Amino acid sequence: DTAVSQTPKYLVTQMGNDKSIKCEQNLGHDTMYWYKQDSKKFLKIMFSYNNKELIINETVPNRFSPKSPDKAHLNLHINSLELGDSAVYFCASSQGQVYSPLHFGNGTRLTVT
Amino acid sequence: GQSLEQPSEVTAVEGAIVQINCTYQTSGFYGLSWYQQHDGGAPTFLSYNGLDGLEETGRFSSFLSRSDSYGYLLLQELQMKDSASYFCAVNGGGSYIPTFGRGTSLIVHP
Repeated sequence: DTAVSQTPKYLVTQMGNDKSIKCEQNLGHDTMYWYKQDSKKFLKIMFSYNNKELIINETVPNRFSPKSPDKAHLNLHINSLELGDSAVYFCASSQGQVYSPLHFGNGTRLTVT
Repeated sequence: GQSLEQPSEVTAVEGAIVQINCTYQTSGFYGLSWYQQHDGGAPTFLSYNGLDGLEETGRFSSFLSRSDSYGYLLLQELQMKDSASYFCAVNGGGSYIPTFGRGTSLIVHP
């Protein structure tokens, strides 16, 4: 009965590869997010998406792209991986565009070698 | 843009009370929320303040002063399991997307 689940939990890959992280939520929420947490634990928003609007943090390289087949899923695709992409990536969801708490997945630790 | 400041680390002993402060800058403020994250875990929601005053949830309370752009998280009767990182997050600037502070590492000693 996991609320927000993401796979894989760990991802080790080489520079230049393309990889995807999957995220699914069963809370019935209409908004999903991707956050990146660096080694200093700074949580930075990358994308926010609901069925009407994709909001992209302008500092995110266009090698990163979200793909949402339906409102319960928001996958993250990363092309041409770089060493600096190593981080923990968290998927989250919330209900609506007024304030509601974020529910986070358990994170994917990406290591680029 | 939005910015938040919170202490990087706070230490306390079991049974004590600790306060973690957060100051923020944003336009169009909606509210301030708090999240807890244990090492290796996911952030989990603790509390939200949209209006001035104190919100209490068990041992944890959160306070907001919109005029001072300031809030705090108060943890009472500290337990070892409270050792974690605590993040304040602001909703504002016309966006419902929370912007997180850099987190405060709370270390609880026996």
